[in-house]
Amino acid sequence: DGGITQSPKYLFRKEGQNVTLSCEQNLNHDAMYWYRQDPGQGLRLIYYSQIVNDFQKGDIAEGYSVSREKKESFPLTVTSAQKNPTAFYLCASSVLGQGHSNQPQHFGDGTRLSIL
Amino acid sequence: GQNIDQPTEMTATEGAIVQINCTYQTSGFNGLFWYQQHAGEAPTFLSYNVLDGLEEKGRFSSFLSRSKGYSYLLLKELQMKDSASYLCAVVGGNYQLIWGAGTKLIIKP
Repeated sequence: DGGITQSPKYLFRKEGQNVTLSCEQNLNHDAMYWYRQDPGQGLRLIYYSQIVNDFQKGDIAEGYSVSREKKESFPLTVTSAQKNPTAFYLCASSVLGQGHSNQPQHFGDGTRLSIL
Repeated sequence: GQNIDQPTEMTATEGAIVQINCTYQTSGFNGLFWYQQHAGEAPTFLSYNVLDGLEEKGRFSSFLSRSKGYSYLLLKELQMKDSASYLCAVVGGNYQLIWGAGTKLIIKP
C-alpha cells in the first residue's frame, strides 16, 4: 500500500543536541510538507518542498532545517536553536500544482518530540 | 490577516446528528478541506468543497458558502468511533493550506 512513513514515533532531545525526523513516501507525490502541531493550535507549516533539491520556508522555519535529495524523502532536523521543540511533528505529501488544489494532503503518523 | 475559526469542543450523543462550523477570512480562496484526526494519529481526509452547496458522502456531509466565508461538517448517526478532532483547512490565494485549530468532538453513549 502507498503511504507516508515517519520515524521514530517518539524522540527525546537533550540540550544542545540536533535531532533528525525521517519522512518517506511512496505515493510518487512531488510536494512534501512538515508541520508542527501544538495543543489548541492549528497545524503550522515549517518547511515545504515542491521538487527535488528545492524547498521553501513556511511560517515557523527558525530553528529547523530540511533537505530534499530524493523525491521520496524529506527529513527534518530540529536544531539546538529551536528553544521550544516539544510538539507533535507531522509530515505530509500531495500532488502538486494549481490545477490540483482539490487534491488532499496525505499525512504520516507523526513523531512526538520531547525534551530530556 | 488570515483567520479560521472553529469551536474548540463539542459534545453529542451516540446516534444523534452534529454540525461543526468553520468560518474563514483569507486572502483568496481555492477550496476548503475537512480532516478527521484521532488523538495522537495522522489527520485523514474527509471532504473538499470549492463550489457553494452541500457535498454528501455517507454519514458525513460538508457545506460551503463562499459569500459568507462559512462551511460546516454534518455528521449523522453518530458512532463512538467518531470521537475525534475535526480540522477545517482553507486553500488560500497562494494555494497554501491555512489550518483551523480543530474542533474536539466528544460522543457520549
